[in-house]
Amino acid sequence: GAGVSQSPRYKVAKRGQDVALRCDPISGHVSLFWYQQALGQGPEFLTYFQNEAQLDKSGLPSDRFFAERPEGSVSTLKIQRTQQEDSAVYLCASSPRTGGGTGELFFGEGSRLTVL
Amino acid sequence: QQQVKQSPQSLIVQKGGISIINCAYENTAFDYFPWYQQFPGKGPALLIAIRPDVSEKKEGRFTISFNKSAKQFSLHIMDSQPGDSATYFCAANFNDYKLSFGAGTTVTVRA
Repeated sequence: GAGVSQSPRYKVAKRGQDVALRCDPISGHVSLFWYQQALGQGPEFLTYFQNEAQLDKSGLPSDRFFAERPEGSVSTLKIQRTQQEDSAVYLCASSPRTGGGTGELFFGEGSRLTVL
Repeated sequence: QQQVKQSPQSLIVQKGGISIINCAYENTAFDYFPWYQQFPGKGPALLIAIRPDVSEKKEGRFTISFNKSAKQFSLHIMDSQPGDSATYFCAANFNDYKLSFGAGTTVTVRA
């Protein structure tokens, strides 16, 4: 596809379950980002990949959050033992630039996670 | 915590009116200031951006004004249209990749 694709679009999990959220960036984009957007708030940075290397994971809220991009393309954000406070929209973005922050980020539509 | 403070939280404007959204920041290391537009159920999309060596940038009906000494910048939407109804986020770049977003302003344009 032409844009960033995320799946699933909606996920309902019971507290304590593990979830995996997938991101297919725009083909050829070097940089990939995950952001967390709570209801009524702006996106908050979680982690940054340049190709397959995770260069910054300082925004991950806890060690229950794990992200990977093993072949430098598709990325997965995994949340273990989900808690209610994990409920949010998880946005993936990609950029053709290394760094990417000083240029346009292309966002997917997000995966809305609801933890009951 | 938000490193970029955005106001107002929401605003309503009549069709043809001007919408003004303000943002302030503290970190002088920020060197790139984009605005993103987000429609319900969609991801944010870049609208317009500015660097701190420029005081104003205009693209169509959208203008960014930047005041480096005050560490403030604003978005003006001229001749607002119903299709402009969306949530707008200001942001600032740090470390060349990490964007810090404001909390967002929901704009409603009444026909």
